[in-house]
Amino acid sequence: ETGVTQSPTHLIKTRGQQVTLRCSSQSGHNTVSWYQQALGQGPQFIFQYYREEENGRGNFPPRFSGLQFPNYSSELNVNALELDDSALYLCASSWGLTGNSPLHFGNGTRLTVT
Amino acid sequence: GIQVEQSPPDLILQEGANSTLRCNFSDSVNNLQWFHQNPWGQLINLFYIPSGTKQNGRLSATTVATERYSLLYISSSQTTDSGVYFCAAIPSKETSGSRLTFGEGTQLTVNP
Repeated sequence: ETGVTQSPTHLIKTRGQQVTLRCSSQSGHNTVSWYQQALGQGPQFIFQYYREEENGRGNFPPRFSGLQFPNYSSELNVNALELDDSALYLCASSWGLTGNSPLHFGNGTRLTVT
Repeated sequence: GIQVEQSPPDLILQEGANSTLRCNFSDSVNNLQWFHQNPWGQLINLFYIPSGTKQNGRLSATTVATERYSLLYISSSQTTDSGVYFCAAIPSKETSGSRLTFGEGTQLTVNP
């Protein structure tokens, strides 16, 4: 069983730039969600994707967007980067939409915005 | 939305000691998970436990859904148990099935 993999592991960007983070879901999972974890805090839900469509969003502005592909992998795109976007970005995969299955997380991408 | 509260916020133990971490949640849940985040940021699944009791080696967890709390037990602690332990939940009424709400975490330090 292949776990959730994320790339890159670390990234440094300048304020105003755009960034794309990638995630491959665990085999057998069809739902992908993204979380932002600022230093010293718990992860915060950004959004989830199911059947290639966004299905639920947290309190994040539209400059945070995503995609899910037919193989269930996913991208998180952040435009017009701000200093406060510096965080650990975690991808999770699970099965279905009912919330009755556990989420499995990748190792994250640590983004630094300077 | 659902509130998830963890206690204690910090815990320091000597190697070999036992501990209990608590998670209170404010709504009925379809999903409750315990995670361990190591110093490198990896968020490791410990238990998926919306109700009942489970054990995995030195760790066990119990969720009493009717009273809206969950407990994580760590026995014979080791230095590798150090890190932050998170409880996270999805309420039953949530339509986004992977919207976990995390508690603030318990920072565990195990000294040799």
